[in-house]
Amino acid sequence: DTGVSQDPRHKITKRGQNVTFRCDPISEHNRLYWYRQTLGQGPEFLTYFQNEAQLEKSRLLSDRFSAERPKGSFSTLEIQRTEQGDSAMYLCASSLRRGSGGGNEQFFGPGTRLTVL
Amino acid sequence: RKEVEQDPGPFNVPEGATVAFNCTYSNSASQSFFWYRQDCRKEPKLLMSVYSSGNEDGRFTAQLNRASQYISLLIRDSKLSDSATYLCVVPPSGNEKLTFGTGTRLTIIP
Repeated sequence: DTGVSQDPRHKITKRGQNVTFRCDPISEHNRLYWYRQTLGQGPEFLTYFQNEAQLEKSRLLSDRFSAERPKGSFSTLEIQRTEQGDSAMYLCASSLRRGSGGGNEQFFGPGTRLTVL
Repeated sequence: RKEVEQDPGPFNVPEGATVAFNCTYSNSASQSFFWYRQDCRKEPKLLMSVYSSGNEDGRFTAQLNRASQYISLLIRDSKLSDSATYLCVVPPSGNEKLTFGTGTRLTIIP
């Protein structure tokens, strides 16, 4: 399967613990995005990378959240001191951006479902 | 006003019927528009891009109305497999992030 993969698929943790999620994008894609989705809502943008550079962060991304893409390939999203409000589906997407052309189809991974008890 | 607004539904439609959804957006400078489909507990997948001239893909037709700032999705001859949540997506102008509506839930009834 050459699509976007995410690990783990499910994570249950206790409030206050740290968690880390991994995303492996489609291999030739240079852009990688993180979104969060709660029940009954559409995905909300968190942050995105072009290669290894983090180009934008949402205000939703509090200082407890950090994302990295050290080699421009896979990415990790870490949440420190988790809170019950962090419970959500965390989705990763990737796209191939060429030059200054407009529009980019983002391909989503299956997501990591986080439950904070 | 929310950046992207959709009627959450649910829409319960008999098989074979035609169903249409609208989505309004607030940023008049937006240039790209998409419809994504999301099945229960699955990831969103691109269904259609929406062009200024409108576009059609089989039973699906997407339209853009810039003057009124809305996009629409029409599904003809609906199938049971069309049951899903349809997400309207309007990226802000010049921005890479996708801004999603809450989604419209559609159930096709046999």
